[in-house]
Amino acid sequence: DTEVTQTPKHLVMGMTNKKSLKCEQHMGHRAMYWYKQKAKKPPELMFVYSYEKLSINESVPSRFSPECPNSSLLNLHLHALQPEDSALYLCASSQLTSGSASYEQYFGPGTRLTVT
Amino acid sequence: AQSVTQLGSHVSVSEGALVLLRCNYSSSVPPYLFWYVQYPNQGLQLLLKYTSAATLVKGINGFEAEFKKSETSFHLTKPSAHMSDAAEYFCAVRRTYSGAGSYQLTFGKGTKLSVIP
Repeated sequence: DTEVTQTPKHLVMGMTNKKSLKCEQHMGHRAMYWYKQKAKKPPELMFVYSYEKLSINESVPSRFSPECPNSSLLNLHLHALQPEDSALYLCASSQLTSGSASYEQYFGPGTRLTVT
Repeated sequence: AQSVTQLGSHVSVSEGALVLLRCNYSSSVPPYLFWYVQYPNQGLQLLLKYTSAATLVKGINGFEAEFKKSETSFHLTKPSAHMSDAAEYFCAVRRTYSGAGSYQLTFGKGTKLSVIP
């Protein structure tokens, strides 16, 4: 099974709402990633977790709060978002590497977020 | 720093014609390169990856790519385009390994492929 699942598929939220995006994989991958993708642009990395610990934060505003409760799950908590945060949010996972191997990232279908 | 440049934001081909999507990389070390495809309103799907085992890499859906060090290129080709190939294609390179076990991808800006019946 090489599937990464994401819920919900679509989300509309107001600027004062709190919501969460969920991501799940059962491939035994210990690296998980959040990306943000605006229309007609490539994905931009937001966060990386290795062994359930945050290893990379690409200077993302604090209104985005990631969480990795276990090795299969990754959440992204959203609070007080701005309309410019509207985008496709993608989750990905990969095997950990020692540096010499190249393991691909597997992407989920994404959550289409609209902030009103 | 590792980076990739995709030449042509939009490529149109006729059904049955050769598909050629261009990607040039910049890297001070042997690169790890990937091609991903994204269909509308979907996530990214890996087409193929270069890992230095072979310069000609075969991927899914009839795509292949050739790594040319002398030209710093990793162009994606398919002999005969199908309507179902219409999508956005991204070339990506793995950034310098940070030692944490995970790694970051740097994506090109993408090339939208249109297939004309």
